[in-house]
Amino acid sequence: DGGITQSPKYLFRKEGQNVTLSCEQNLNHDAMYWYRQDPGQGLRLIYYSQIVNDFQKGDIAEGYSVSREKKESFPLTVTSAQKNPTAFYLCASSSGQIITEAFFGQGTRLTVV
Amino acid sequence: KQEVTQIPAALSVPEGENLVLNCSFTDSAIYNLQWFRQDPGKGLTSLLLIQSSQREQTSGRLNASLDKSSGRSTLYIAASQPGDSATYLCGNTNAGKSTFGDGTTLTVKP
Repeated sequence: DGGITQSPKYLFRKEGQNVTLSCEQNLNHDAMYWYRQDPGQGLRLIYYSQIVNDFQKGDIAEGYSVSREKKESFPLTVTSAQKNPTAFYLCASSSGQIITEAFFGQGTRLTVV
Repeated sequence: KQEVTQIPAALSVPEGENLVLNCSFTDSAIYNLQWFRQDPGKGLTSLLLIQSSQREQTSGRLNASLDKSSGRSTLYIAASQPGDSATYLCGNTNAGKSTFGDGTTLTVKP
């Protein structure tokens, strides 16, 4: 089945640790995105990539880093510089064309312990 | 910068009722308007995508309309069912990159 897979579903981070969230898609989409969702709020864009080996900062990129070495993969690293990382993280992909539908993974819930 | 607002934030209705969810946006130069459903602790499921050249889209009991001139979109749900209970988000989507509202949490009571 085609889709977007995020792993792990739940992740716990100690203070000062970096953690990496995985996002893989087999939809042959060029564009991939990372969003953060806090309780009762909409989604805020962290980073996005419209093509392999290229990515841009979104609205809240500070404390996060990404890579796009393969078309199907777009991992997000939450660094120790992110002061309030506890949130629900969602990965999405689209064909990258102007008129295009966005598809989402099932999310990773990150908690700082 | 595009801003998207959804009203109301929460809505509770009895089963069988028809209802409308509202989405407004500040920049009429949008490309697509996409409606999503989100169940607790889950990702977003795409319901309907309205291209900027279209005025509405329908899927089953769902109908979404788009009025760019007024900066509004509505999601109409006919004959609501308890299984429709979820949070509904709208997103102004440009090349897949979206600006989202905070969502409307719908509860349909049996």
